[in-house]
Amino acid sequence: DTGVSQNPRHKITKRGQNVTFRCDPISEHNRLYWYRQTLGQGPEFLTYFQNEAQLEKSRLLSDRFSAERPKGSFSTLEIQRTEQGDSAMYLCASSLDTGGTYQPQHFGDGTRLSIL
Amino acid sequence: SQQGEEDPQALSIQEGENATMNCSYKTSINNLQWYRQNSGRGLVHLILIRSNEREKHSGRLRVTLDTSKKSSSLLITASRAADTASYFCATGKMDSSYKLIFGSGTRLLVRP
Repeated sequence: DTGVSQNPRHKITKRGQNVTFRCDPISEHNRLYWYRQTLGQGPEFLTYFQNEAQLEKSRLLSDRFSAERPKGSFSTLEIQRTEQGDSAMYLCASSLDTGGTYQPQHFGDGTRLSIL
Repeated sequence: SQQGEEDPQALSIQEGENATMNCSYKTSINNLQWYRQNSGRGLVHLILIRSNEREKHSGRLRVTLDTSKKSSSLLITASRAADTASYFCATGKMDSSYKLIFGSGTRLLVRP
């Protein structure tokens, strides 16, 4: 399967703990996006990378959140000192930007985070 | 914050019937896309319509776009039980990020 892969699929943790999620995009895709989705809502943009450069961060991404894409391939999203409000599905998407025709984003199945 | 709203929030139809979902948005867009999400899964891209297009077809899907009213509709013809899912419209911002702004979705149930 050459789609977007996210791990773990589910994470349950106690409030105050740190968590890290991983996203492996489609191999030739140079853009990588993180979104957050709460129950009954559409996904909300968090941040995106062009290769290894993080080019935009949403106001939703507080200081407790950090994302990296060290070699322009996989990406990690870390949440420090988790809070109840962090409970959500975290979705990763990737796309290929060639500077030409827009290419749609391909999504992984997400990591569902539950804070106890 | 969400870009817009989908209407209806939930839709229940019989297999074989057509399903129509509407989406409204707030700001100028470069394109509008529709995605499907099965329960507990990621989103699957269905169709994209550019701001200079008015209608687009793909298989059993028909999308319309009215930029003057800032609205779009998705029609699924001859629905099947496998079409049961949540459907989201997403607008592409007119900047270089191509980030997507999603609506709140329509939950479609197709009864066999």
